[in-house]
Amino acid sequence: EAGVAQSPRYKIIEKRQSVAFWCNPISGHATLYWYQQILGQGPKLLIQFQNNGVVDDSQLPKDRFSAERLKGVDSTLKIQPAKLEDSAVYLCASSWFGGADTQYFGPGTRLTVL
Amino acid sequence: KQEVTQIPAALSVPEGENLVLNCSFTDSAIYNLQWFRQDPGKGLTSLLLIQSSQREQTSGRLNASLDKSSGRSTLYIAASQPGDSATYLCALNQAGTALIFGKGTTLSVSS
Repeated sequence: EAGVAQSPRYKIIEKRQSVAFWCNPISGHATLYWYQQILGQGPKLLIQFQNNGVVDDSQLPKDRFSAERLKGVDSTLKIQPAKLEDSAVYLCASSWFGGADTQYFGPGTRLTVL
Repeated sequence: KQEVTQIPAALSVPEGENLVLNCSFTDSAIYNLQWFRQDPGKGLTSLLLIQSSQREQTSGRLNASLDKSSGRSTLYIAASQPGDSATYLCALNQAGTALIFGKGTTLSVSS
């Protein structure tokens, strides 16, 4: 069974630039999560999708972050414009149904904002 | 609001030692508790998942316990090896939320 795929693995940008991350969940998983992990911290949920609908985006900085999950499969997370404090690892995870289901994590995208 | 604390933040031990990592939480209304391993530059690997009705789970040299009443979980690693060096994260699953993580314990095992 293929795992959660993410790209790119690394990205370096200047502040005020835009960046986008891509995630392909495990086939058949209805729930997809984006987490932000700042150095020295645990991952923090940014947004949760159930199929192509948003379940929770309460911690997503909506003035600069956006995410979509077209057709309930792949997802993209965008930052526009980026700030220095956005430097972090962005982790994508998926699960069959959400709730207390086991989540499977991708390798993450490490973003550095200069 | 649920808060998850992991102590210590970092730990260095010689190879062969048995060790315990600690996780505490403030709200006992959880579905399950999970221990993850994170290697540098990589994602999270689930090690053990304990349902709220369970007291412990074991996998190889790893044993995780859960005491909901006191808001604590421990991860016991027996006969540590250099390959165990990584960051270990504790995470909770509650109703209506995604996983809530602690900050992790970074373990270094020297040969």
